[in-house]
Amino acid sequence: AQTVTQSQPEMSVQEAETVTLSCTYDTSESDYYLFWYKQPPSRQMILVIRQEAYKQQNATENRFSVNFQKAAKSFSLKISDSQLGDAAMYFCASCHQGAQKLVFGQGTRLTINP
Amino acid sequence: DTEVTQTPKHLVMGMTNKKSLKCEQHMGHRAMYWYKQKAKKPPELMFVYSYEKLSINESVPSRFSPECPNSSLLNLHLHALQPEDSALYLCASSQVQRSGNTIYFGEGSWLTVV
Repeated sequence: AQTVTQSQPEMSVQEAETVTLSCTYDTSESDYYLFWYKQPPSRQMILVIRQEAYKQQNATENRFSVNFQKAAKSFSLKISDSQLGDAAMYFCASCHQGAQKLVFGQGTRLTINP
Repeated sequence: DTEVTQTPKHLVMGMTNKKSLKCEQHMGHRAMYWYKQKAKKPPELMFVYSYEKLSINESVPSRFSPECPNSSLLNLHLHALQPEDSALYLCASSQVQRSGNTIYFGEGSWLTVV
């Protein structure tokens, strides 16, 4: 069974600074995928970034990047130059290849201080 | 803008009512999902349809009845709900392929059972 753990229920950062959200996971699968989703107050779940476990290179999407440490089963999200619009609940999730079930962490609420 | 559209955005129903939540996607995805999300919690998978056939039912009570009329539409029929069923119901879709699926979510339907 897969599990995903987000140990930081809440985080805050000053606007324009960098923040890192932590995520660890556990799986017995060799092929799997990791995701970060953002859920702002509007409640829509928005895909932020995706990482294939077989790829060693860390995924990046503009100001968002991940630090994927496969041996440590760690998948942290770094947000650079934080903006007020980044304020949201962030969920880490995993899915093994061929599966249709996302396993979510409990989420981290990110606050951006102006 | 989301490519997964859900209606209605808000629904209030009595415990004896029958109502339906609707979801539509035009991304050519052949997998569609219903998730339930309570406040401050991650989404919980309810149902998955692949190629218009129910592939996963996460032991959801029969008062929730899913329907997939075609590859673009997904309904969730509600009958004799309980107040504890009040939640955000998220529809999602993805491709069906072995190389991993990115799941795209709609904006959700807020359901209140009175």
